[in-house]
Amino acid sequence: EDQVTQSPEALRLQEGESSSLNCSYTVSGLRGLFWYRQDPGKGPEFLFTLYSAGEEKEKERLKATLTKKESFLHITAPKPEDSATYLCAIDRGSTLGRLYFGRGTQLTVWP
Amino acid sequence: NAGVMQNPRHLVRRRGQEARLRCSPMKGHSHVYWYRQLPEEGLKFMVYLQKENIIDESGMPKERFSAEFPKEGPSILRIQQVVRGDSAAYFCASSPPGIGRRDQPQHFGDGTRLSIL
Repeated sequence: EDQVTQSPEALRLQEGESSSLNCSYTVSGLRGLFWYRQDPGKGPEFLFTLYSAGEEKEKERLKATLTKKESFLHITAPKPEDSATYLCAIDRGSTLGRLYFGRGTQLTVWP
Repeated sequence: NAGVMQNPRHLVRRRGQEARLRCSPMKGHSHVYWYRQLPEEGLKFMVYLQKENIIDESGMPKERFSAEFPKEGPSILRIQQVVRGDSAAYFCASSPPGIGRRDQPQHFGDGTRLSIL
């Protein structure tokens, strides 16, 4: 069964319109939660790692947060170049090295 | 994604042929992972290798698929007697040694798009 669920599947925002993407997970013993960005025809590009509830990481217009059951990727005042698919993945402590990915949120930012 | 190199970027095979996908990890990385991405699906783990060792192959089909990471040279994902269902994007990722450390995310290549005619 899916251990990582991302929502919404697709999101269209106007430039400057802030929003959040959600990643919920059902496993216990989380070793780390990862956010990646994927552009068409490219591989996932690493953005953030979060390890414990309450942790936050920021990079330019993106901020990732983590609770015991979910993570949010907040996008503040997005620009068209932020358009991409954003992937969430978890590292369970019991399966060393293996990442479990959600299906992603396809973000489109229009001018 | 320039650090992890995958080739070829696109590969076309006829049913029954063999496909070989190559992955050179980032400099200093000794852990390699292969994932498969089917249309409209998320990335699915296939296999995790270190130099000359398969650590976890639980995500790889037992028939027709094999992977290696030799002491010298790139990691190879090999698919024998390909079928239409093998059509997908195959991604390789790498990370440095010391997997217990927290500051070691997996870095991905740009993938090989495999098409089966």
